Amino acid sequence: KAGVTQTPRYLIKTRGQQVTLSCSPISGHRSVSWYQQTPGQGLQFLFEYFSETQRNKGNFPGRFSGRQFSNSRSEMNVSTLELGDSALYLCASSLAGQGRDTQYFGPGTRLTVL
Amino acid sequence: DQQVKQNSPSLSVQEGRISILNCDYTNSMFDYFLWYKKYPAEGPTFLISISSIKDKNEDGRFTVFLNKSAKHLSLHIVPSQPGDSAVYFCAASGTGFQKLVFGTGTRLLVSP
Repeated sequence: KAGVTQTPRYLIKTRGQQVTLSCSPISGHRSVSWYQQTPGQGLQFLFEYFSETQRNKGNFPGRFSGRQFSNSRSEMNVSTLELGDSALYLCASSLAGQGRDTQYFGPGTRLTVL
Repeated sequence: DQQVKQNSPSLSVQEGRISILNCDYTNSMFDYFLWYKKYPAEGPTFLISISSIKDKNEDGRFTVFLNKSAKHLSLHIVPSQPGDSAVYFCAASGTGFQKLVFGTGTRLLVSP
């Protein structure tokens, strides 16, 4: 079974631009979560989607948004990029996104904002 | 508010010895705990989990211990191998939670 895939793997943008990241979950998984990883901050939860609906959201500004499609693929968008948005963005999928479901992570998208 | 804490940012161990990684949590509603391992340029991979109804779970060289009264869990790796060198994240969740809460990670270096 194929794992979680994320595209692109690396991205360089400048301040003020916007960016869209893509995540394809494991086949059959309906929940997709997004995390931001920065040095010293661990993995910070951005949001979680299930059946095309955002079910849970972390403490990030409205510049961070996402969506999920009917095939469970998900996209994350960041508008008006800031230098502090430079991070590794990780997507994770699970069967139903409930507390005890194991989440499986993709390799991440490394975003650099100049 | 860091609900899951890994107070040791790094740990160095010799090959063959035991590695002990620690994690503390504050939210008493957590009842499910996981450890993930992360290599550079890869996403975290699930390692082992434990439910709050247990105090120990073992999988090969990896054992997780849970002390609910102290809100503390630890991951033991015995024997440690150089391939275990990675960043280890502790995570917590539970009934009604729809997300994992992660610690900040501990970088383990196992030297030959």
